[in-house]
Amino acid sequence: DARVTQTPRHKVTEMGQEVTMRCQPILGHNTVFWYRQTMMQGLELLAYFRNRAPLDDSGMPKDRFSAEMPDATLATLKIQPSEPRDSAVYFCASGLARDRKIYEQYFGPGTRLTVT
Amino acid sequence: DAKTTQPPSMDCAEGRAANLPCNHSTISGNEYVYWYRQIHSQGPQYIIHGLKNNETNEMASLIITEDRKSSTLILPHATLRDTAVYYCIDIAGGTSYGKLTFGQGTILTVHP
Repeated sequence: DARVTQTPRHKVTEMGQEVTMRCQPILGHNTVFWYRQTMMQGLELLAYFRNRAPLDDSGMPKDRFSAEMPDATLATLKIQPSEPRDSAVYFCASGLARDRKIYEQYFGPGTRLTVT
Repeated sequence: DAKTTQPPSMDCAEGRAANLPCNHSTISGNEYVYWYRQIHSQGPQYIIHGLKNNETNEMASLIITEDRKSSTLILPHATLRDTAVYYCIDIAGGTSYGKLTFGQGTILTVHP
């Protein structure tokens, strides 16, 4: 049963520290998404990649957030420096795009980040 | 912002059909209707999608009105494990690689 995996599942850190979240997409999927969920804002798309190239990161605060795909099996989301308002659950999702169309996204279990 | 409208909450008795409505009055010709759900403390889960014809899979059925301005997700025999937030989303299937914009969704509570 193929699944998206995310590590760590929980992270508590102090303001100003660097945070790195990792995602392993489903093997063979060529599109990877990063979402953030908070009570106030709900689910928001931060960035997404196709074939490891960033397509859109307009949802991400550029000054402190960065997203990369070092290889096809790993996507990372980094926050440096972290702030209390970054506290949220961060979800990674992957999918297979064919002819510029993608129908199903498979979400990971999320990383719950708390910044104190 | 999400372009769909859903009731904030609904109840359903276990074993009965759950019918979740969604209005998407501004949907355009190439936009699909997608349904996802999120069970507490889990990531969202894809349920079904459609363009203009009704669709059915092992999880649910999707009924789209002829004018495509609204749709209904049907869970034919709801169980307690179907308690979740259900999101209706309309997006262009051919662009943006399926970029999803989630609204507030409908909290479905299935009770014994």
